[in-house]
Amino acid sequence: EAQVTQNPRYLITVTGKKLTVTCSQNMNHEYMSWYRQDPGLGLRQIYYSMNVEVTDKGDVPEGYKVSRKEKRNFPLILESPSPNQTSLYFCASSRAGAHRFEKLFFGSGTQLSVL
Amino acid sequence: QKEVEQNSGPLSVPEGAIASLNCTYSDRGSQSFFWYRQYSGKSPELIMFIYSNGDKEDGRFTAQLNKASQYVSLLIRDSQPSDSATYLCAANAGGTSYGKLTFGQGTILTVHP
Repeated sequence: EAQVTQNPRYLITVTGKKLTVTCSQNMNHEYMSWYRQDPGLGLRQIYYSMNVEVTDKGDVPEGYKVSRKEKRNFPLILESPSPNQTSLYFCASSRAGAHRFEKLFFGSGTQLSVL
Repeated sequence: QKEVEQNSGPLSVPEGAIASLNCTYSDRGSQSFFWYRQYSGKSPELIMFIYSNGDKEDGRFTAQLNKASQYVSLLIRDSQPSDSATYLCAANAGGTSYGKLTFGQGTILTVHP
Protein backbone atom coordinates (compact mmCIF):
# COMPACT_ATOMS: atom_id res chain seq x y z
CA GLU A 1 0.00 0.00 0.00
CA ALA A 2 1.31 3.42 -1.00
CA GLN A 3 1.79 5.48 2.09
CA VAL A 4 3.69 8.07 4.05
CA THR A 5 4.48 6.92 7.55
CA GLN A 6 5.16 9.36 10.35
CA ASN A 7 6.23 8.48 13.84
CA PRO A 8 5.36 9.09 16.56
CA ARG A 9 1.69 10.00 16.29
CA TYR A 10 1.75 11.87 19.60
CA LEU A 11 4.72 13.30 21.45
CA ILE A 12 4.99 15.24 24.68
CA THR A 13 8.39 16.58 25.57
CA VAL A 14 10.07 19.30 27.59
CA THR A 15 11.81 22.44 26.49
CA GLY A 16 15.33 21.83 25.21
CA LYS A 17 15.18 18.06 24.83
CA LYS A 18 16.21 17.14 21.31
CA LEU A 19 13.73 15.10 19.35
CA THR A 20 13.29 13.58 15.90
CA VAL A 21 10.08 12.94 14.05
CA THR A 22 10.53 10.32 11.37
CA CYS A 23 8.93 10.25 7.95
CA SER A 24 9.17 7.48 5.40
CA GLN A 25 7.50 6.94 2.03
CA ASN A 26 7.31 3.80 -0.09
CA MET A 27 6.41 5.40 -3.43
CA ASN A 28 9.90 6.30 -4.65
CA HIS A 29 8.93 9.97 -4.62
CA GLU A 30 11.59 12.56 -5.28
CA TYR A 31 9.85 15.32 -3.36
CA MET A 32 9.28 15.34 0.39
CA SER A 33 8.28 18.14 2.71
CA TRP A 34 7.32 19.03 6.27
CA TYR A 35 4.48 21.27 7.46
CA ARG A 36 3.14 22.51 10.71
CA GLN A 37 -0.49 23.32 11.26
CA ASP A 38 -1.72 25.76 13.86
CA PRO A 39 -5.30 26.94 14.43
CA GLY A 40 -6.23 29.75 12.07
CA LEU A 41 -2.91 29.62 10.23
CA GLY A 42 -3.42 26.75 7.83
CA LEU A 43 -0.46 24.61 6.82
CA ARG A 44 2.93 26.24 6.77
CA GLN A 45 5.87 24.61 5.07
CA ILE A 46 8.97 24.09 7.22
CA TYR A 47 11.43 22.43 4.82
CA TYR A 48 11.29 20.59 1.56
CA SER A 49 13.55 18.28 -0.38
CA MET A 50 13.61 17.85 -4.13
CA ASN A 51 15.77 14.74 -3.95
CA VAL A 52 18.49 13.00 -1.94
CA GLU A 53 20.90 15.49 -0.37
CA VAL A 54 18.83 18.42 -1.71
CA THR A 55 16.91 20.35 0.94
CA ASP A 56 15.64 23.90 1.17
CA LYS A 57 13.79 26.16 3.54
CA GLY A 58 10.07 26.66 3.48
CA ASP A 59 8.27 29.54 5.13
CA VAL A 60 8.97 28.66 8.79
CA PRO A 61 12.33 26.86 9.06
CA GLU A 62 13.60 28.48 12.27
CA GLY A 63 14.25 25.96 15.01
CA TYR A 64 14.10 22.92 12.72
CA LYS A 65 16.58 20.77 10.84
CA VAL A 66 16.10 18.11 8.22
CA SER A 67 18.22 15.65 6.32
CA ARG A 68 17.67 13.56 3.21
CA LYS A 69 20.28 10.85 3.11
CA GLU A 70 18.00 8.29 1.52
CA LYS A 71 15.18 8.80 -0.94
CA ARG A 72 12.53 7.24 1.27
CA ASN A 73 13.31 9.03 4.56
CA PHE A 74 13.03 12.66 5.57
CA PRO A 75 13.32 13.14 9.35
CA LEU A 76 12.48 16.40 11.10
CA ILE A 77 14.81 17.34 13.92
CA LEU A 78 14.14 19.78 16.71
CA GLU A 79 17.50 20.36 18.37
CA SER A 80 16.13 22.42 21.25
CA PRO A 81 12.34 22.43 21.22
CA SER A 82 10.46 25.37 22.65
CA PRO A 83 6.78 25.74 23.59
CA ASN A 84 6.07 27.75 20.41
CA GLN A 85 6.84 24.60 18.44
CA THR A 86 3.82 22.90 19.93
CA SER A 87 1.84 22.07 16.83
CA LEU A 88 0.47 19.40 14.51
CA TYR A 89 3.12 18.31 12.05
CA PHE A 90 2.62 16.67 8.68
CA CYS A 91 5.07 15.07 6.32
CA ALA A 92 4.20 14.73 2.65
CA SER A 93 5.70 13.36 -0.53
CA SER A 94 5.07 13.62 -4.24
CA ARG A 95 6.50 12.91 -7.63
CA ALA A 96 8.17 16.01 -9.03
CA GLY A 97 8.46 17.14 -12.61
CA ALA A 98 9.72 20.24 -14.33
CA HIS A 99 8.69 23.15 -12.08
CA ARG A 100 5.57 21.42 -10.94
CA PHE A 101 4.38 18.48 -8.97
CA GLU A 102 1.20 16.59 -8.53
CA LYS A 103 -0.59 15.03 -5.63
CA LEU A 104 0.96 15.38 -2.22
CA PHE A 105 0.55 12.26 -0.14
CA PHE A 106 0.33 13.21 3.51
CA GLY A 107 1.28 11.24 6.56
CA SER A 108 -1.15 10.87 9.47
CA GLY A 109 0.40 13.71 11.42
CA THR A 110 2.35 14.09 14.64
CA GLN A 111 0.85 16.08 17.48
CA LEU A 112 3.75 17.59 19.38
CA SER A 113 3.46 19.29 22.75
CA VAL A 114 6.49 21.04 24.21
CA LEU A 115 6.12 21.85 27.90
CA GLN B 1 6.94 36.42 1.43
CA LYS B 2 4.62 35.04 -1.19
CA GLU B 3 1.05 34.71 -0.05
CA VAL B 4 -2.01 32.65 -0.71
CA GLU B 5 -5.26 34.12 0.56
CA GLN B 6 -8.58 32.38 0.83
CA ASN B 7 -11.98 33.97 1.24
CA SER B 8 -12.80 34.16 4.88
CA GLY B 9 -15.30 31.71 6.21
CA PRO B 10 -16.99 29.97 7.52
CA LEU B 11 -19.15 29.23 4.51
CA SER B 12 -22.52 27.62 5.00
CA VAL B 13 -24.64 26.26 2.14
CA PRO B 14 -27.75 24.09 2.02
CA GLU B 15 -27.54 20.53 0.76
CA GLY B 16 -27.74 20.41 -3.02
CA ALA B 17 -26.46 23.94 -3.52
CA ILE B 18 -23.23 25.04 -5.20
CA ALA B 19 -20.40 25.96 -2.83
CA SER B 20 -17.87 28.43 -4.19
CA LEU B 21 -14.44 28.73 -2.65
CA ASN B 22 -11.95 31.35 -3.77
CA CYS B 23 -8.24 31.83 -3.45
CA THR B 24 -5.77 34.45 -4.64
CA TYR B 25 -2.01 34.15 -4.85
CA SER B 26 0.75 36.71 -5.08
CA ASP B 27 3.56 34.85 -6.92
CA ARG B 28 3.09 35.28 -10.68
CA GLY B 29 5.59 32.48 -11.27
CA SER B 30 3.44 29.86 -9.55
CA GLN B 31 2.61 26.94 -11.83
CA SER B 32 0.97 24.30 -9.65
CA PHE B 33 -2.26 24.95 -7.77
CA PHE B 34 -4.05 22.63 -5.43
CA TRP B 35 -7.25 22.25 -3.50
CA TYR B 36 -7.17 20.01 -0.46
CA ARG B 37 -9.96 18.95 1.85
CA GLN B 38 -9.26 18.32 5.50
CA TYR B 39 -11.66 16.78 7.95
CA SER B 40 -11.18 17.59 11.59
CA GLY B 41 -8.30 15.60 13.05
CA LYS B 42 -7.33 14.11 9.69
CA SER B 43 -4.66 14.66 7.08
CA PRO B 44 -5.37 16.84 4.06
CA GLU B 45 -6.51 14.94 1.00
CA LEU B 46 -6.21 16.18 -2.56
CA ILE B 47 -9.36 17.19 -4.40
CA MET B 48 -7.88 18.78 -7.50
CA PHE B 49 -4.66 20.11 -8.95
CA ILE B 50 -4.59 22.48 -11.88
CA TYR B 51 -1.79 23.89 -13.98
CA SER B 52 -3.44 25.64 -16.93
CA ASN B 53 -5.82 28.53 -17.26
CA GLY B 54 -9.44 27.55 -17.49
CA ASP B 55 -11.59 24.94 -15.87
CA LYS B 56 -10.84 21.43 -14.74
CA GLU B 57 -13.71 19.20 -13.77
CA ASP B 58 -13.76 16.02 -11.72
CA GLY B 59 -17.17 14.75 -10.76
CA ARG B 60 -18.94 17.35 -8.64
CA PHE B 61 -15.79 19.47 -8.36
CA THR B 62 -14.57 22.13 -10.76
CA ALA B 63 -11.34 24.04 -10.30
CA GLN B 64 -10.89 27.30 -12.16
CA LEU B 65 -7.57 29.03 -12.71
CA ASN B 66 -7.05 32.55 -13.97
CA LYS B 67 -3.34 33.38 -14.03
CA ALA B 68 -3.86 36.93 -15.27
CA SER B 69 -5.99 37.73 -12.25
CA GLN B 70 -4.04 35.37 -9.99
CA TYR B 71 -6.96 33.51 -8.58
CA VAL B 72 -8.03 29.93 -8.23
CA SER B 73 -11.49 28.81 -7.32
CA LEU B 74 -13.23 25.58 -6.45
CA LEU B 75 -16.87 24.93 -7.15
CA ILE B 76 -18.65 22.06 -5.47
CA ARG B 77 -21.93 21.19 -7.15
CA ASP B 78 -24.76 19.36 -5.43
CA SER B 79 -23.09 19.89 -2.06
CA GLN B 80 -23.51 17.10 0.46
CA PRO B 81 -23.20 17.12 4.25
CA SER B 82 -20.13 14.91 3.79
CA ASP B 83 -18.46 17.85 2.01
CA SER B 84 -18.39 19.72 5.32
CA ALA B 85 -14.70 20.22 6.00
CA THR B 86 -11.90 22.74 5.81
CA TYR B 87 -10.73 23.47 2.26
CA LEU B 88 -7.14 24.47 1.70
CA CYS B 89 -5.82 26.21 -1.38
CA ALA B 90 -2.11 25.95 -2.19
CA ALA B 91 0.30 27.26 -4.78
CA ASN B 92 3.94 26.53 -5.42
CA ALA B 93 6.61 29.17 -5.79
CA GLY B 94 7.86 30.16 -9.18
CA GLY B 95 11.33 29.69 -10.59
CA THR B 96 13.96 27.47 -9.04
CA SER B 97 12.17 27.38 -5.67
CA TYR B 98 9.18 25.58 -7.15
CA GLY B 99 9.25 23.04 -4.34
CA LYS B 100 8.21 25.75 -1.92
CA LEU B 101 4.51 25.31 -1.34
CA THR B 102 2.30 27.90 0.33
CA PHE B 103 -1.15 27.13 1.70
CA GLY B 104 -3.96 29.51 2.41
CA GLN B 105 -5.41 29.67 5.89
CA GLY B 106 -8.32 27.46 4.90
CA THR B 107 -12.07 27.97 4.54
CA ILE B 108 -14.46 26.01 6.71
CA LEU B 109 -17.42 24.77 4.72
CA THR B 110 -20.61 23.54 6.35
CA VAL B 111 -23.30 21.88 4.26
CA HIS B 112 -26.54 21.69 6.20
CA PRO B 113 -29.37 19.29 5.37
